[in-house]
Amino acid sequence: ETGVTQTPRHLVMGMTNKKSLKCEQHLGHNAMYWYKQSAKKPLELMFVYNFKEQTENNSVPSRFSPECPNSSHLFLHLHTLQPEDSALYLCASSPTGGGGTDTQYFGPGTRLTVL
Amino acid sequence: QKEVEQDPGPLSVPEGAIVSLNCTYSNSAFQYFMWYRQYSRKGPELLMYTYSSGNKEDGRFTAQVDKSSKYISLFIRDSQPSDSATYLCAMSSNTNAGKSTFGDGTTLTVKP
Repeated sequence: ETGVTQTPRHLVMGMTNKKSLKCEQHLGHNAMYWYKQSAKKPLELMFVYNFKEQTENNSVPSRFSPECPNSSHLFLHLHTLQPEDSALYLCASSPTGGGGTDTQYFGPGTRLTVL
Repeated sequence: QKEVEQDPGPLSVPEGAIVSLNCTYSNSAFQYFMWYRQYSRKGPELLMYTYSSGNKEDGRFTAQVDKSSKYISLFIRDSQPSDSATYLCAMSSNTNAGKSTFGDGTTLTVKP
């Protein structure tokens, strides 16, 4: 596997379910990100982890819970979601998490539908 | 008012046309300007980035930044059907490049 991978690619869940999204990067990067992409809206940054430490929580509701056990893996735990949480959830990684040329590499995303 | 405004599109052009994609912004602290391309069912991929004002060329793609006008553009020459995608502009300040602000995206279709 190369680059940034995400599983599952598609997820349908009810409002009372608990599920997790997984992201893995094979680039040796130290920073990882979760974004939400909804139709006709700009990419919304949710969380940033730098060297496994959370450095950014962009006022995300507590029904989204991130976990970063090491620099290569990032999870997003979901519980009691709302239909408006349906979106494409993108994971990204970058070498250092700061500095002007710290390019982010995105995974293919998980298409989440909340019924 | 949004920090970054992107021409909404969608844009449909014939093959071979020159395409101009544009964004304006309000935050004068932005120093790094990126263009991402996102194909359907894929994540965004970085196409070009530019630091501060000026032009940058890469093959058929040219990125322009005019900081005095707070305006950036991406030009695609000799457009191909394979260029059909959504293009996202993004920008960040020098000290917070990990937190880029994205435009809404412009969807481009190049017809054979």
